[in-house]
Amino acid sequence: QVQLEQSGAEVKKPGASVKVSCKASGYTFTSYVIHWVRQAPGQRLEWMGWINSVNGNTIYSQKFQGRVTFTRDTSANTAFMELSSLRSEDTAVYYCARDLVLIPAAMGAFDLWGQGTTVTVAS
Amino acid sequence: EIVMTQSPATLSVSPGERATLSCRSSQSVSRNLAWYQQKPGQAPRLLIYDASTRATGIPARFSGSGSGTEFTLTISSLQSEDFAVYYCQQYNNWPPGTFGQGTKLEIK
Repeated sequence: QVQLEQSGAEVKKPGASVKVSCKASGYTFTSYVIHWVRQAPGQRLEWMGWINSVNGNTIYSQKFQGRVTFTRDTSANTAFMELSSLRSEDTAVYYCARDLVLIPAAMGAFDLWGQGTTVTVAS
Repeated sequence: EIVMTQSPATLSVSPGERATLSCRSSQSVSRNLAWYQQKPGQAPRLLIYDASTRATGIPARFSGSGSGTEFTLTISSLQSEDFAVYYCQQYNNWPPGTFGQGTKLEIK
């Protein structure tokens, strides 16, 4: 079954960091770029950036530049998103999503999504 | 950054009827536009990309049209499972790829 399986919900204090994992199965992990998208309560979806699962190259949304890091472990078919210096506004559901087209291209539309990881930032 | 604006915010339609959802971009995105469906507690699901191409497994009752700055998602005969929130997303000028604020399609 083709899927992206994300790690479980997290509760963090302001100033802390969180690391979310996204494990791919049912397809060749290194064939597609993985994007990260978040959705704060009642807000629109917000693209955070992507990681090229082949070479690890990343592109980050300017909004998150300096605070977010994407990595991947090709041996485990898993991508990771780490967000630091957390604040209450980072409370959201974080999704990983697969790009629609094969590497080396990236379209920016997402045909496979993880189930989402809820991150709550509260003191 | 391109701003995507969807209308209406909420659309009330009876099952079996047609629903028409609109999406406007603040500048031209050519045909680089996608539509997603999201149900409560679920991840978004890709319906349409390149403005009018249905994604794999999407029923023919879903259709997309438009180019430039004006786009439409039409659901020809609403089924009970179609009541959800719909988002448009441009991927012409990115980063970042930007989403609309969503249209909630509810049962009338």
